[in-house]
Amino acid sequence: DIVMTQSPDSLAVSLGERATINCRSSQSVLYSTRNKNYLAWYQQKPGQPPKLLISWASTRESGVPDRFSGSGSGTDFTLTISSLQPEDVAVYYCQQYFNTPRTFGQGTKVEIK
Amino acid sequence: QVQLQESGPGLVKPSQTLSLTCTVSGGAINRGTYYWDWIRQPAGKGLEWIGRIYTSGSTDYNPSLKSRVTISLDTSKSQFSLKLTSVTAADTAVYYCARQDDSSGHAPFDYWGLGTLVTVSS
Repeated sequence: DIVMTQSPDSLAVSLGERATINCRSSQSVLYSTRNKNYLAWYQQKPGQPPKLLISWASTRESGVPDRFSGSGSGTDFTLTISSLQPEDVAVYYCQQYFNTPRTFGQGTKVEIK
Repeated sequence: QVQLQESGPGLVKPSQTLSLTCTVSGGAINRGTYYWDWIRQPAGKGLEWIGRIYTSGSTDYNPSLKSRVTISLDTSKSQFSLKLTSVTAADTAVYYCARQDDSSGHAPFDYWGLGTLVTVSS
């Protein structure tokens, strides 16, 4: 199995400040033939299912605010919220879809400082 | 707009079989690029992928659950189902159904159901 490890487990950021979440995979999720990283980011608010924010490591889904961005390649990835808003309080998960079983990071809880 | 809705018993006794159904609306279930997945989340914990079924009927399961899991597809009802046998308290979780949209099978989960809580208890 590909193990996904996120850091930190939680972080508190002031409104309008930047939040950065890291995700590392135990093996590369870059499919060289297609030059695509099979890595997604999700946002989960209490009592709701996860919502897909970013796919292919850096492609923002339709309707996702542009303050959310994804970067990285191979085994190291980052989700950045450039200017934290109250509605961004949530748990964020990375997930690989390179191999089965599909695996998720343990989650990072983002709160307002 | 595609919608997924889980249904099934909210309480299952230990050693019995958990059975859930996901009903898909707002789109075809049997389009050739779709994979239909089950994912679960124990209270306060992370997400665990259970398995998936392709529109052809082929399946992939998480090895950690493979001996107990069956996923099936009923295109006439626009539904797919999960059966998990010999349940224990460790199977208590919110169960989600979700979709992947890529004929290669390599795609994120773009649509999710709201989830259904299943508690294993006598």
